[in-house]
Amino acid sequence: QVQLVQSGADVKKPGASVKVSCKASGYTFTTYAMHWVRQAPGQRLEWMGWINTGNGNTKFSQKFQGRVTITRDTSASTAYMELSSLRSEDTAVYYCAREGHAFDIWGLGTMVTVSS
Amino acid sequence: DIQMTQSPSSLSASVGDRVTITCRASQGISNYLAWFQQKPGKAPKSLIYAASVLQSGVPSKFSGSGSGTDFTLTISSLQPEDFATYYCQQYHTYPITFGQGTRLEIK
Repeated sequence: QVQLVQSGADVKKPGASVKVSCKASGYTFTTYAMHWVRQAPGQRLEWMGWINTGNGNTKFSQKFQGRVTITRDTSASTAYMELSSLRSEDTAVYYCAREGHAFDIWGLGTMVTVSS
Repeated sequence: DIQMTQSPSSLSASVGDRVTITCRASQGISNYLAWFQQKPGKAPKSLIYAASVLQSGVPSKFSGSGSGTDFTLTISSLQPEDFATYYCQQYHTYPITFGQGTRLEIK
């Protein structure tokens, strides 16, 4: 069945970078764009950016511009989101979401904790 | 950025009730509006896109309406599994933005 499997939880120190993976299965990876959304504890969902999995083009929220990189490996049907210069406010669950009809399929989420 | 505001922020209802959640956009978004359900510790689940179209597999007890700036999500005949937090999302303009959520609790 269609699913997105994300990498496991991670703990980082302030100033470090984190890279989260999202492996797609059950469909042709390059047919659908992939978005990244995060949710800090008790907060609303926050869109970070997306990648055209076909040609690799990306677009990011201005809030994360310069700190976020989204890439993909089509041979592995996997998208990646890397966030740099981490601070405590980046502690959140990070989700990938397929852009079918809107965000139709979501990964289970990856908890990233930023703590010294 | 387009601000999405939901009301109410929380709502208490009983099993069997019908409830309506409202979402207002700070500017017109046509029908580029989606609704999601999220349970504690779980990923969001897509319910509705294009303001009123049910995602595949979503029961017809969920319905959406609206266009422009004002939208509603209605859930009929509430069951225990429907108690969750609901979010609206606009995908008309980047950055994509979400409402603050409506927490639906059992009375």
